[in-house]
This record gives sequence, structure tokens and C-alpha cells, in this order.
Amino acid sequence: EDQVTQSPEALRLQEGESSSLNCSYTVSGLRGLFWYRQDPGKGPEFLFTLYSAGEEKEKERLKATLTKKESFLHITAPKPEDSATYLCAVQGGSNYKLTFGKGTLLTVNP
Amino acid sequence: GAVVSQHPSWVICKSGTSVKIECRSLDFQATTMFWYRQFPKQSLMLMATSNEGSKATYEQGVEKDKFLINHASLTLSTLTVTSAHPEDSSFYICSARDLMGTGAYEQYFGPGTRLTVT
Repeated sequence: EDQVTQSPEALRLQEGESSSLNCSYTVSGLRGLFWYRQDPGKGPEFLFTLYSAGEEKEKERLKATLTKKESFLHITAPKPEDSATYLCAVQGGSNYKLTFGKGTLLTVNP
Repeated sequence: GAVVSQHPSWVICKSGTSVKIECRSLDFQATTMFWYRQFPKQSLMLMATSNEGSKATYEQGVEKDKFLINHASLTLSTLTVTSAHPEDSSFYICSARDLMGTGAYEQYFGPGTRLTVT
């Protein structure tokens, strides 16, 4: 059974204070690892897909990296508008189901 | 691109009644759509996989007769909660795969539907 563990559960940063979120996973035959952002009362917003170890992707202040056991979402010089819950999910095996972690609630104070 | 809509965005119904939620892919075709539910401060739990033109596949523990799923076209899937009870109150979110997108495995999510059963 695929498993995803995200840490920390919550993270509070000052504006401009860079940090990283962790996503550890176990999956049979990784098809892809996905990062989503979710604002309160809304559906997840797609950020990145990573397909193989060593892959990196960037978007504005966010950078996602992948190893065989975990993924990191690096946030550089965050702004208050980056405050949200960040979800990590994996897709493995022969179907397209996503298994989600519980998320990291990021709060960026001005 | 890759926009998914849901309707309604919120609904309140009385116990024992049925509620239908629509999920549409607006600018792409989706042979497969997924239905999730999310409780407060919890992550998304997959309920079922909806395939266009065939029966949905339900996850273990999800009652097929209670959560009816219909995927009648490449852009529309519906979830009907039958004989709703207060414990069915939750945030229901659908997602869809972009069949022709460059990221063939990516799922795009709708904005969610907040269901409250009184």
C-alpha cells in the first residue's frame, strides 16, 4: 500500500525566511510525485509533477526536488500570499490513483 | 488550461434527501475523473474512480448504493449522495485527468462542494 508522510504538520515563517517542507513516501512503481497547494475551502491547485529521482522543478519562489525516498518543497524568501496547506501525493502501480499526505500548513507572517 | 468546475459550491439538505454534485472539465476531455472527500484538517480521501461510459470503481469502505457516480460524457461526471445523513457532511472534491495533456498522469481539481446535512 502506498504511503505518504509529510512534515512538519505546521510551519510558521517570517516573510523572507526560507525553509523546506518534506514528503517521505513508499510506493510500488512510482509513476509520479505531485505537489499541490490548497487554500481554505478550495480545491487543490496543481504545482509540480516529479517523475524520477534527481529531478527538480521551479516555479517562482518554489522549488521541488525528488529522491528515491522523499521529496522536498523549498520555499525561498516567502511572502504572506504563500500561506496555504501544501499537499504531496504519489501515484504508483498500474492505475492513476493519488495517495495524499496530510499536508503541511504554512503560515508566512509579514 | 486544465480547468475543472463543480456545482454547486455549497449545499444544505435535510436528512433523508438526495443531493447531486456535478464535476465538469471545461477546456479538456477527461476519460477518467476522481471523487474525493475531505474532513476538516484532514487530507483528501479517494472515494471512487469514474470512467466515461463504464461503471465507477469504488474504494474499500465506500458504499456504492449511497454514492452514485455517473460519467456520461468526456466532460461531465456526477456524484449523487442518496438518503443523506449528517455524517455525510463533508467537502467533496472532484479531479480529472487531461487525456491530451503533456503531463498524462496529472490530475486537476475542482473547487470543491461543501455539503451540510441537517
